[in-house]
Amino acid sequence: EIVLTQSPGTLSLSPGERATLSCRASQSVSNNYLAWYQQKPGQAPRLLISGISSRATGIPDRFSGSGSGTDFTLTISRLEPEDFAVYYCQQYGSSPPDTFGQGTTLEIK
Amino acid sequence: QVQLQESGPGLVKPSQTLSLTCTVSGGSISSGGYYWSWIRQHPGKGLECIGYIYYSGSTYYNPSLRSRVTLSVDTSKNQFSLNLSSVTAADTAVYYCARGKYDGGSRDASDYWGQGTLVTVSS
Repeated sequence: EIVLTQSPGTLSLSPGERATLSCRASQSVSNNYLAWYQQKPGQAPRLLISGISSRATGIPDRFSGSGSGTDFTLTISRLEPEDFAVYYCQQYGSSPPDTFGQGTTLEIK
Repeated sequence: QVQLQESGPGLVKPSQTLSLTCTVSGGSISSGGYYWSWIRQHPGKGLECIGYIYYSGSTYYNPSLRSRVTLSVDTSKNQFSLNLSSVTAADTAVYYCARGKYDGGSRDASDYWGQGTLVTVSS
C-alpha cells in the first residue's frame, strides 16, 4: 500500500497570497495516477486535479498540480475566500488500494 | 449532470451488517466506461477507499476490509450497493459513493461523489 504524507498539516495564509501544498508518496506513483481534492465542511470531496496536473471540469486555472515519482505539489496562485478548505491528495489506478493523504487544512490568516 | 445519492440506515447495531445503496441519476451504470466506488471518512479524519465495482460486477476490495465487504450492482435500478458485516464502533463514518472513469485499461480519479451519509454503529 502506498502511503501519502501531506505537508504542512495546516497552512495559514491571506486571500491573494500563493499557497503551496505538498504530497509525498512512500513509493513511486506510476502512470501519473495522482489527484487532488478539495473538501469543505459538511460536503463531499471535489476533484480538482487528476493525472498530476490535469484540471477537472470547471476548476479555475489558479489551481495547478505538478510533480513526479514520489513528490507532488498543488499550487493555488492567488487565494480566493472560497479556497479555504481541506485538501487531500490521492493515488489511484496503479497500486491498489487507492489511498489518500491525511489532508492539509488551508485556513485564513 | 450525473448525480449520486446514498441511502440506508443511519444507525446500525454492533455485530450487524451495514447496508447502503447508491442511486445514480443522469447516466446509466450499464453504459460502461466507469467504475463505482465506496469511500468512507471517520469523524474528523481522512478518507479511506472501501472498494469499487464495474457494471459487469467485477470488484476490488481494500485488503483491510476484504473479509467483511461485499459490493454489488443492480443495473436495472441504476444502483450499486455496499454490505459491511460484523460492524463495530470503528465503522462509524460518513460513507460516500463515487464515480470514476475507466477506459478498459486504467482508472481515473473519482469525479462525481454523493453527498455522503453518516452511519453510526451503536447499541
